[in-house]
Formats: sequence, C-alpha cells, structure tokens
Amino acid sequence: DTEVTQTPKHLVMGMTNKKSLKCEQHMGHRAMYWYKQKAKKPPELMFVYSYEKLSINESVPSRFSPECPNSSLLNLHLHALQPEDSALYLCASSQVLGQGTQYFGPGTRLLVL
Amino acid sequence: AQSVTQPDIHITVSEGASLELRCNYSYGATPYLFWYVQSPGQGLQLLLKYFSGDTLVQGIKGFEAEFKRSQSSFNLRKPSVHWSDAAEYFCAVGASNDYKLSFGAGTTVTVRA
Repeated sequence: DTEVTQTPKHLVMGMTNKKSLKCEQHMGHRAMYWYKQKAKKPPELMFVYSYEKLSINESVPSRFSPECPNSSLLNLHLHALQPEDSALYLCASSQVLGQGTQYFGPGTRLLVL
Repeated sequence: AQSVTQPDIHITVSEGASLELRCNYSYGATPYLFWYVQSPGQGLQLLLKYFSGDTLVQGIKGFEAEFKRSQSSFNLRKPSVHWSDAAEYFCAVGASNDYKLSFGAGTTVTVRA
C-alpha cells in the first residue's frame, strides 16, 4: 500500500482565518514533505521532516507553520495567508530522507480570498 | 545540482497512437529518475522509477521508460494511448543522500478521439 491521504480536499479561507491541512501515511515512512503547486507548474518543496523533526525549510514565510505530531501525521497550519498563496498543497512521504521514492497524496486545493 | 528538462510543453496524440515524452537531466553521478502523472485536480501518481540495473523500466498503465546514460535521457513511452492518459506528466531526478527531487516543467498530453 503506497497511500498518502490528505484532508480537506478543498479549502476556502479569508486572509484573517486560521486553518490547518492534514496529511497521513501508514507506510512506516520516516520522511514527510510539504509541496506547493501552482497551476501548470511543477511542485515546489516547502518543508521536509525526518524522524518527526523539521530538517528543511525552503525559506517559506512564517504564515505557514508545519507540525509533525507523530511518524504518521503531518500538519500544515495556515494563518494570515495572502491571495497569492492559493494553490494545490501536496504532501509526500518516503522511507527515509534522501532514499527511495516519494509518494504523493491527492492534495488540498486552497483558495485564499 | 541536478536539473531536468522536458522539451515538449504540450503534445497532442490520437487515441490508439503511440506516445513518447522526452526527459533530459543534468547530474554528475548516477541519478534516481522518476516519471509522475497528474490528472486535473489530482495529486502526483508514480508511473515508474529507475535507480539502477536494467535500463528499460516497466511501469503502471502500460508505460515504460529507457535510461540512456550517454544521452542523459529518460524518455517515457506508451505503445497505444487511451483517452484516460490525458494528463500532465512530470519527469523528476533525485540522488542518493539528497532530499531534493528536481522536477521538469511538465508535459501536457491531450488525447483526441
């Protein structure tokens, strides 16, 4: 089973709202990733967690706050977003950091009004 | 640093015809190579991957790809396309002990009846 699940599928939020995206995998993977994807573009890496610790932050604005409560779960907390943050947010996981294949979830389509 | 080029932005193919998508990479050592497919509004699905060994790789949905080191290429092929193959296709390159997956710009495939 190579399934990564993400909730919600769609999210609309105002610029003053606080919301969270959730990602879950039960493959025993110890590396998890957040990507942002704009229409007709490849995914852009945002954050990487390895063994529940933040390993990589690709200079993402602080209005995005990741959290890894346990080895199966990854959250992305959103606060005071801008309209240009509207995008598809993808979660991925791999066995360990830097090894193997990244498996992607279906994404959360975010619209910021 | 690794990089990926997908020379074709958009390809239109008739249903039942063959399909070939080009991918060229730049990397100093032996890369890990991937092809992902993304249907509209969906996440990325892994079609196939190459780490080592046999240079002709079989994937899901009837796709195959061939690694040619001399040409730094990893082209994707399908002998007979179905209407459901209409999607965005991304080639990606990674490396051992490197967290980063570098994506090409993507190729949009349109299938006409």
